Amino acid sequence: DIQMTQSPSTLSASVGDRVTITCRASQSISSWLAWYQQKPGKAPKLLIYKASSLESGVPSRFSGSGSGTEFTLTISSLQPDDFATYYCQQYNSYPFTFGPGTKVDIK
Amino acid sequence: EVQLVESGGGLVQPGGSLRLSCAASGFTFSSYEMNWVRQAPGKGLEWVSYISSSGSTIYYADSVKGRFTISRDNAKNSLYLQMNSLRAEDTAVYYCARDRIRGVAGLFDYWGQGTLVTVSS
Repeated sequence: DIQMTQSPSTLSASVGDRVTITCRASQSISSWLAWYQQKPGKAPKLLIYKASSLESGVPSRFSGSGSGTEFTLTISSLQPDDFATYYCQQYNSYPFTFGPGTKVDIK
Repeated sequence: EVQLVESGGGLVQPGGSLRLSCAASGFTFSSYEMNWVRQAPGKGLEWVSYISSSGSTIYYADSVKGRFTISRDNAKNSLYLQMNSLRAEDTAVYYCARDRIRGVAGLFDYWGQGTLVTVSS
């Protein structure tokens, strides 16, 4: 199975900050990586797919990059609605696996 | 508007069974591959099972293989998860999730609101 790791596990930031979350895969997954945002008590929401493609309706302050085993999610200017937990997920092969999550909270 | 509505969760004793349902609307259900994903309380996301649009191809996570059965009824726009021999570690919110792109499995663009399964004596 492909293991996914994320860093940091928690990130404290202020509105307007540039935020970067890193995700690593235990083996190459090409660009088959997605990023999701989840708020408490809610289902995850797809933000980014194929490592860098923005899902329709997602604000352009979100961007993704990377390929192979190392990926990043960047929020260019953190907004109040962005405080949430972010998960990366590989869909290169079964079983599909998620990273442990990065919680972005208010500094 | 795409909607996925899960039901069937609840409290069940270890070793018991439960059947989850997911009612789909707002899209052509029979054209999409579907999945179940779960989340234990306070924990991360775990993919559970996948079923192709026709139901001919099915995959399971090792943690549920042999105990859970995924199925679908395209005429009823419904997805199911039959869960047998339940364990405490199966306690989680169970989400049904749609694959975004036909032929590209594992990319989930729509999720239901989830249904809580609690396995406890």
